[in-house]
Amino acid sequence: QVQLQQSGPGLVKSSQTLLLTCVISGDSVSSNIATWNWIRKSPSRGLEWLGRTYYRSKWFHDYALSVTSRITISPDTAKNQFSLHLSSVTPDDTAVYYCARNSAFDLWGQGTMVTVSS
Amino acid sequence: DIVMTQSPDSLAVSLGERATINCKSSHSIFYSSNNENCLAWYQQKPGQPPRLLIYWASSREPGVPDRFSGSGSGTNFTLTISSLQAEDVALYYCQQYFILPFTFGQGTKLEIK
Repeated sequence: QVQLQQSGPGLVKSSQTLLLTCVISGDSVSSNIATWNWIRKSPSRGLEWLGRTYYRSKWFHDYALSVTSRITISPDTAKNQFSLHLSSVTPDDTAVYYCARNSAFDLWGQGTMVTVSS
Repeated sequence: DIVMTQSPDSLAVSLGERATINCKSSHSIFYSSNNENCLAWYQQKPGQPPRLLIYWASSREPGVPDRFSGSGSGTNFTLTISSLQAEDVALYYCQQYFILPFTFGQGTKLEIK
């Protein structure tokens, strides 16, 4: 059964770095047909796509302009997972964060509520 | 960015009746390489992640009841629930995957009348 399992802290202080991990079961982060995404949902922004990583003979990354200076999405082939690093967070980054597969997001992690405290 | 606009913001429908949600994109999302529209529909219930219902504007995801259908092309799309069931109460979102950044509509809240 294919699934995504998220982990990471629910509380982060302003100016610090948010780190979330998404472990993949039943598929591969190195798949040549899948892409691996981070998405967040907040009352102010709704659902917002943050970025993705994927492998097509080499690794590619795409990021939303709104976070491009602060975001890194990193694959870990040894652990079959991918991670979200979001630096210099502010209370505006408070949201539920999801990992998801592909471009029509057919598989989602369970979500992680992240609160940024000032 | 492509702006996705849903209407209405909320909708109340009687059990067994039809529910229709509209989604309009600010730019055509028709992908000429495969003659498909890069439009997906999701259902989200409280405390759960969104669930993919429809992709390529009209293809139903496996396991999705056939009362859910998608239609439209270019910039105008519709999600139809042919006969509303109690378990269909949820938020519904459209999303374009034609071009980065992928963008979502603001959501439509569906309730029972």
